[in-house]
Amino acid sequence: EVQLVESGGGLVQPGGSLRLSCAASGFTGFTFSSSWMHWVRQGPGEGLAWVAHINNDGSRITYADSVKGRFTISRDNAKNTLYLQMHSLRAEDTAVYYCVRESHFWSGLLENWGQGTLVTVSS
Amino acid sequence: EIVMTQSPATLSVSPGERATLSCRASQSVTSNLAWFQQIPGQAPRLLIYGASTRATGIPARFSGSGSGTEFTLTISSLQSEDFAVYYCQQYNNWPPLTFGGGTKVEIK
Repeated sequence: EVQLVESGGGLVQPGGSLRLSCAASGFTGFTFSSSWMHWVRQGPGEGLAWVAHINNDGSRITYADSVKGRFTISRDNAKNTLYLQMHSLRAEDTAVYYCVRESHFWSGLLENWGQGTLVTVSS
Repeated sequence: EIVMTQSPATLSVSPGERATLSCRASQSVTSNLAWFQQIPGQAPRLLIYGASTRATGIPARFSGSGSGTEFTLTISSLQSEDFAVYYCQQYNNWPPLTFGGGTKVEIK
């Protein structure tokens, strides 16, 4: 069973930076290095919002407009780890951030979710 | 960007009754529509993809229908563990991937 474990969340001041990590394991029939990955966030009491996506080898990356230019998604396939580097953080970036694996068969289908890590942006 | 709209925002249902949730897309997403269940304090769980295909391990009381711009999630006989928030999501035309605002199914 695929396991995705996020870490790196915490309290940060407005304008600050934070790097989230997502350790992946339990892949059967496919590998982390063949999986497309996403970050999705959920503000307090709010719905789900897609943040960013990276393909299997990092050659294709897309971002939501709300984070473009401030956030960077990356991956280390040798370590089975996904990252989200966040700069110039704002109060509205406060959210639980989920690491998500995309289906192997359906582009954009968010199949496996981690438990999330909470990022709080506040002074 | 495709806007997803869910209704109602809250649905009050008694255990054992049927629940019908709606999701509308601002333009056609063909059948590239998924439903997720989120229990408070937990991550979302994939229920339905391709508008009508249950994900692995999802009970048969959950069913999805629709195509184009109108979709429905039906829970045939609500169990206690089904009281949660449900989200639809389109993956037909992205980026961005977009979600509906959610429907909370609560105990009547």
